[in-house]
Amino acid sequence: DTGVSQDPRHKITKRGQNVTFRCDPISEHNRLYWYRQTLGQGPEFLTYFQNEAQLEKSRLLSDRFSAERPKGSFSTLEIQRTEQGDSAMYLCASSSSGQETQYFGPGTRLLVL
Amino acid sequence: DQQVKQNSPSLSVQEGRISILNCDYTNSMFDYFLWYKKYPAEGPTFLISISSIKDKNEDGRFTVFLNKSAKHLSLHIVPSQPGDSAVYFCAASKGEKLTFGTGTRLTIIP
Repeated sequence: DTGVSQDPRHKITKRGQNVTFRCDPISEHNRLYWYRQTLGQGPEFLTYFQNEAQLEKSRLLSDRFSAERPKGSFSTLEIQRTEQGDSAMYLCASSSSGQETQYFGPGTRLLVL
Repeated sequence: DQQVKQNSPSLSVQEGRISILNCDYTNSMFDYFLWYKKYPAEGPTFLISISSIKDKNEDGRFTVFLNKSAKHLSLHIVPSQPGDSAVYFCAASKGEKLTFGTGTRLTIIP
């Protein structure tokens, strides 16, 4: 399977704990995006990378959130001191430069108790 | 500020008939529009897209129409099949960021 993969698919954590999610993009794609989707809403943009450079961050990405893409391949999204409001589906997508279409992974569903 | 709106939360269509999903946007700077389909517990799957310089794009059973003056786009699915039952999201891009609508749940009735 050469699509976007995300790990884990589900995560349950207690409030105040740190969590980290991983995204592996389609191998030839140099752009990688993170989105968050809550119930009844469409996905909301969080941040994007071109190669290893983080080029844009949403206001939604508070200082408890950090994303990295150290070698321009896979990316991690870390949430520190989780809050119940962080419960959502976290989606990763990838694309190539000059290509408008973003291809999404299956998502990581986070539940903060 | 909801820049991309899908005003119909749900739609039911008989199998074999045409499904028409609608989307409105407010930002005239959007230059590319996409439709995604989403099943429960899965990520969105790309269906079809259209550049702002075009008014129609067709791919098999799926056709997207863009009316820039009305800031409106629609997705036509014909004929509708049971496997088309899913949530459909309209998305618009300006630069790298996609802005999504809230989705329309399409149910195809056998």
